[in-house]
Amino acid sequence: DGGITQSPKYLFRKEGQNVTLSCEQNLNHDAMYWYRQDPGQGLRLIYYSQIVNDFQKGDIAEGYSVSREKKESFPLTVTSAQKNPTAFYLCASSKGTDPYSYEQYFGPGTRLTVT
Amino acid sequence: AQKVTQAQTEISVVEKEDVTLDCVYETRDTTYYLFWYKQPPSGELVFLIRRNSFDEQNEISGRYSWNFQKSTSSFNFTITASQVVDSAVYFCALTPRGSGNTPLVFGKGTRLSVIA
Repeated sequence: DGGITQSPKYLFRKEGQNVTLSCEQNLNHDAMYWYRQDPGQGLRLIYYSQIVNDFQKGDIAEGYSVSREKKESFPLTVTSAQKNPTAFYLCASSKGTDPYSYEQYFGPGTRLTVT
Repeated sequence: AQKVTQAQTEISVVEKEDVTLDCVYETRDTTYYLFWYKQPPSGELVFLIRRNSFDEQNEISGRYSWNFQKSTSSFNFTITASQVVDSAVYFCALTPRGSGNTPLVFGKGTRLSVIA
């Protein structure tokens, strides 16, 4: 079955440690996205990528980094510089030459807790 | 700048009632797309509908219907005869087209609770 996988579902880290969240898709989508969701909030865009080896900052990129070495993979690193890293992180992808016009498919999310 | 407002933070209805979730958007672009997503308790967002700015026809899919009115910049979502399985957070989202277009802008969501 095609889809997006994110692992792990729950992640616990100590403050000051970097942590990498994985996101893999087998939908052959060109564009991929990372969002952060806090309680009672909508989704806020962290980073997005339209093609391999290229990505752009979203609204809240500070304290995060990404890479896009393969079309299928878009890992997100939460660095120690991120002041409030505890959140629910969602990865998504979309197709097409104008990917923003198409619906995004979401993974199950990773809930990160930093203490 | 693009903005999506979902004024209803939480709604509770009794099963079988109809419920409408409001969505008001702001954009200066003449071409844009609107979306609705459902986020059940499991957390994964599920795509419900995509509508472009040139298509103002209302759409019905089973118990779901959408009313798009450009004159009031609204894209409201109605669930008819609600069921407990409809309990979720619903997000409205907007993406403009044109040079420098940006990915989806989400509203803050409306939490719907359907009580048996």
